[in-house]
Parts: sequence; structure tokens; C-alpha cells
Amino acid sequence: AQSVAQPEDQVNVAEGNPLTVKCTYSVSGNPYLFWYVQYPNRGLQFLLKYITGDNLVKGSYGFEAEFNKSQTSFHLKKPSALVSDSALYFCAGLDSNYQLIWGAGTKLIIKP
Amino acid sequence: EADIYQTPRYLVIGTGKKITLECSQTMGHDKMYWYQQDPGMELHLIHYSYGVNSTEKGDLSSESTVSRIRTEHFPLTLESARPSHTSQYLCASSEERGTGLYEQYFGPGTRLTVT
Repeated sequence: AQSVAQPEDQVNVAEGNPLTVKCTYSVSGNPYLFWYVQYPNRGLQFLLKYITGDNLVKGSYGFEAEFNKSQTSFHLKKPSALVSDSALYFCAGLDSNYQLIWGAGTKLIIKP
Repeated sequence: EADIYQTPRYLVIGTGKKITLECSQTMGHDKMYWYQQDPGMELHLIHYSYGVNSTEKGDLSSESTVSRIRTEHFPLTLESARPSHTSQYLCASSEERGTGLYEQYFGPGTRLTVT
């Protein structure tokens, strides 16, 4: 079965430190992978995607994600966290029917 | 911000009432989706549409219905609201797959409370 997993319910990081939010996938064919962010009482905002090409993908708000085929991972990263980065982050992958499969979400808390 | 709109943003309604949640997009996207999300929790796909006159049920069983008479409009209707329907409802749209652009764009959501 195709799936996307986010192994951490919550990640806590001090402001200014690097952050990583983990995602692993199991999809058929070439993986198309996405990261979204959700701020309180808002819809989801698209951050970045991997379709093909460079394994390091850059996106909005200084975020980037590293695609690792051998580890079937697509971790979201940022070199220096801001308090305003605190939000709910979702990883998603495209299945064989071109539908998005969603991870369960990871709550990111950045402490001043 | 994507051009996708949902109304109302918040709705409190009594049990047994019929409600329609509105969703419109101005991007000309063929595919549209409805998700149900409890606060801070994962997304559950309840309906989607490939285009006009196309509607499909998603992974999560839902008592709601949808229609797609116009490309830009994808309303969701609950014939008889129940407290178990209390949740946030998110509408999204995406390009037709032939473009290679698969990301979905989301509206701000409707937070529904059924008393």
C-alpha cells in the first residue's frame, strides 16, 4: 500500500537553531513529494515539491527539503528557526492515481 | 495566497439543519477536493471532482454530498447536520495532471460546529 509517514507528532526547536521535520514515503513509480504548512485557523499553504532533478529542493520562507531515494525520505529543513515558523507541517506524496496521500502532520514549536 | 475562497468561515448550527458550504476558485483548475480535518489533526479526503459533472467519494465515508455544475464552484451539502459533523472543512483545487503541476491550493476553511 502507498503511504506517507511523519514519525514525529511534535518537534521542539530553540529559535536560531536548525530544524528538521521528518517524512518517509512508500509510493509506486517515481515519487512526487510535497510539503505544506498550516497556521492556526488557516488552510494549508504549499511550501515546496520534489518532482525530479536536484535532491535538495528550496521553497518558501527559507525552507528546503532533501530527497533521499535510498532512505525513501523527504525531510524538511531550515538552517535557522524563527518563532513564526511554529505551525503544523504536512508531508504528502502523489499516488498512482495522481491523488495526494497525506502524512498525519507534525507540530513544530519554536521556542524563543 | 491562492485564489480559492470558502464561505462561511465559521458556522454554528443546530442538529437537523441543512447546510451548504461554499467553495470557489478563480484559477480555472479542473480538479477540486473537500477534506475534513479535526483541529491539529490529519486530513481526510471526503469528496473530489475531476471537472464539471464529475464527483467522487474520498477515503473517509461522509454523509455529505457535492456537486460540480461549474468549473469554479464545488459546494458541499449536509442534508441533516449532527454533532458528529463538527469539524473543519477544507476545500482545495489543483491543475489537471497533464500540466505536471500537482500541488493543491487550499481555501481558508470552514469551521463547523453542530450543537
